[in-house]
Amino acid sequence: DAGVTQSPTHLIKTRGQQVTLRCSPKSGHDTVSWYQQALGQGPQFIFQYYEEEERQRGNFPDRFSGHQFPNYSSELNVNALLLGDSALYLCASRLQGVRNSPLHFGNGTRLTVT
Amino acid sequence: QKEVEQDPGPLSVPEGAIVSLNCTYSNSAFQYFMWYRQYSRKGPELLMYTYSSGNKEDGRFTAQVDKSSKYISLFIRDSQPSDSATYLCAMSETGGFKTIFGAGTRLFVKA
Repeated sequence: DAGVTQSPTHLIKTRGQQVTLRCSPKSGHDTVSWYQQALGQGPQFIFQYYEEEERQRGNFPDRFSGHQFPNYSSELNVNALLLGDSALYLCASRLQGVRNSPLHFGNGTRLTVT
Repeated sequence: QKEVEQDPGPLSVPEGAIVSLNCTYSNSAFQYFMWYRQYSRKGPELLMYTYSSGNKEDGRFTAQVDKSSKYISLFIRDSQPSDSATYLCAMSETGGFKTIFGAGTRLFVKA
């Protein structure tokens, strides 16, 4: 049973550049959420996608955008990178049809902005 | 004030000790409560998932929720060095899209 997979595992970008992170949800899951985890902090909610639409968004600027594809996989895009965007970006999936089913996480993409 | 407060530790205990990890929260609408374990360079792994108040036990782990006090706990019995990790509490509202996490408590179990 494939869990949540994310790519790439590590990424180094320069301030001002753009980055795209990718996620495939756990088999059978249809909802994908993205979280940002700074060093020593808990994950912070960025947004959630269900049925290819953004359903809710956390307190993140419009530089953060996403997309969900018909096969439920998802991308997170960050434009105009800032040094403060350096963090672990986590993708999590769940089954929307089961009320408040818990999130299952991938191992994340470690983004370093220099 | 943060919605979820969690002591970051670190907490260091000897092997075999009982570990108590705690979180407090301010949003009375939270109904679903979770504990995740996160090893270094890995994503969070779901340990316990409970609804509303009460206790839930799974092997060496026991989760407690006291909604009247807005306080949740995770107990680890017979702790092992392999339990050394960061433990994150998390919670969500009924029908809510987002899950709110605590900052995580770093636990070290010494052999």
